[in-house]
Amino acid sequence: DGGITQSPKYLFRKEGQNVTLSCEQNLNHDAMYWYRQDPGQGLRLIYYSQIVNDFQKGDIAEGYSVSREKKESFPLTVTSAQKNPTAFYLCASSIDKNQPQHFGDGTRLSIL
Amino acid sequence: GDSVTQMEGPVTLSEEAFLTINCTYTATGYPSLFWYVQYPGEGLQLLLKATKADDKGSNKGFEATYRKETTSFHLEKGSVQVSDSAVYFCALSGSGGSYIPTFGRGTSLIVHP
Repeated sequence: DGGITQSPKYLFRKEGQNVTLSCEQNLNHDAMYWYRQDPGQGLRLIYYSQIVNDFQKGDIAEGYSVSREKKESFPLTVTSAQKNPTAFYLCASSIDKNQPQHFGDGTRLSIL
Repeated sequence: GDSVTQMEGPVTLSEEAFLTINCTYTATGYPSLFWYVQYPGEGLQLLLKATKADDKGSNKGFEATYRKETTSFHLEKGSVQVSDSAVYFCALSGSGGSYIPTFGRGTSLIVHP
């Protein structure tokens, strides 16, 4: 079955450490997205990519970085510059702007 | 810019009660409208969609009609179950040609037996 796979499900970060969250899709979707969700809150867009080798900042990109070297993959790095990284991170993809997004099951990041 | 406004939760109902979750939007052009559902610890799942005015999306007993005159897309279900307890998000996309969807803040639904 096609879908989006996020890994790991749980991740712990030490002070001063960068961590990378994986997102892989086999839906052949061009567009991919990263969102942050805090408890009881909605979704906030971190980065998005409409096509391979291109990506744009969302509303809260500071302290995060991404790459889009392959259509299937859109990893997110949470850098040490992100001072409050504890949150639930969701990756999504869509085939075009008028179609719904498909979401992964999320990665929960915590601070050690 | 675009925006989506949902009623604040939590919405607490008894099993078999009627559900309405209000959603209104502002957008340029003719966006597509969606309802997503999120169960605890999981990602969002598409519940239903409508792509043009007067379209009715439906799935698993849930319905919503795209009302352009009132810029609304209210979610309804005639008889809720305990298993419907989740957070529901209203969203739009495709407004003005943008690839960035706009989500509401989500409405938590709690259904008691």
